[in-house]
Amino acid sequence: GAVVSQHPSWVICKSGTSVKIECRSLDFQATTMFWYRQFPKQSLMLMATSNEGSKATYEQGVEKDKFLINHASLTLSTLTVTSAHPEDSSFYICSASGIYGYTFGSGTRLTVV
Amino acid sequence: LAKTTQPISMDSYEGQEVNITCSHNNIATNDYITWYQQFPSQGPRFIIQGYKTKVTNEVASLFIPADRKSSTLSLPRVSLSDTAVYYCLVGPSGSGNTGKLIFGQGTTLQVKP
Repeated sequence: GAVVSQHPSWVICKSGTSVKIECRSLDFQATTMFWYRQFPKQSLMLMATSNEGSKATYEQGVEKDKFLINHASLTLSTLTVTSAHPEDSSFYICSASGIYGYTFGSGTRLTVV
Repeated sequence: LAKTTQPISMDSYEGQEVNITCSHNNIATNDYITWYQQFPSQGPRFIIQGYKTKVTNEVASLFIPADRKSSTLSLPRVSLSDTAVYYCLVGPSGSGNTGKLIFGQGTTLQVKP
């Protein structure tokens, strides 16, 4: 079956620092990866779509300079939250699209203090 | 992208069958209907996907009428561990294509003993 590994599962960082989250498809090649953000008791909100080797496409209202996405290979995409602030605290989830359909990572709980 | 409408919450008791209906009046010809389950602080997990009529797997059934403007997820004999948020999505099947998935509000199912 399809497995997507997301790391770290939780992170606490100081305000003003940057945090990188990794998303790996372990047993398939992901032509496209997606990044979502989820606030408590809310649904998943799509942040951006990334294709291997090209620039990510960001959803309206998502700051591309703040949420840097790199999709350097068919099995790895990273999301870097730059100059994080407390309002960036959220649950970040990646999804990978491949031959098995859409598979989601287990999520990363980011807390900015 | 087709918008979906689901009940915000539902209650049930262990051993009962639960049916969650989703409305998607603007579903496109090439859209599939996919249901995901999400537990707190975890990524969504695929439950079932269908295009028309009825689909059944080891955990659920999906009923889709001929006009495809709605669908019903049926969970047989729920247990406490089925307490979760259930999302209905319409869009690409995921296998071999890379369209984005947009999540609606979801249905919070609470199973009581």
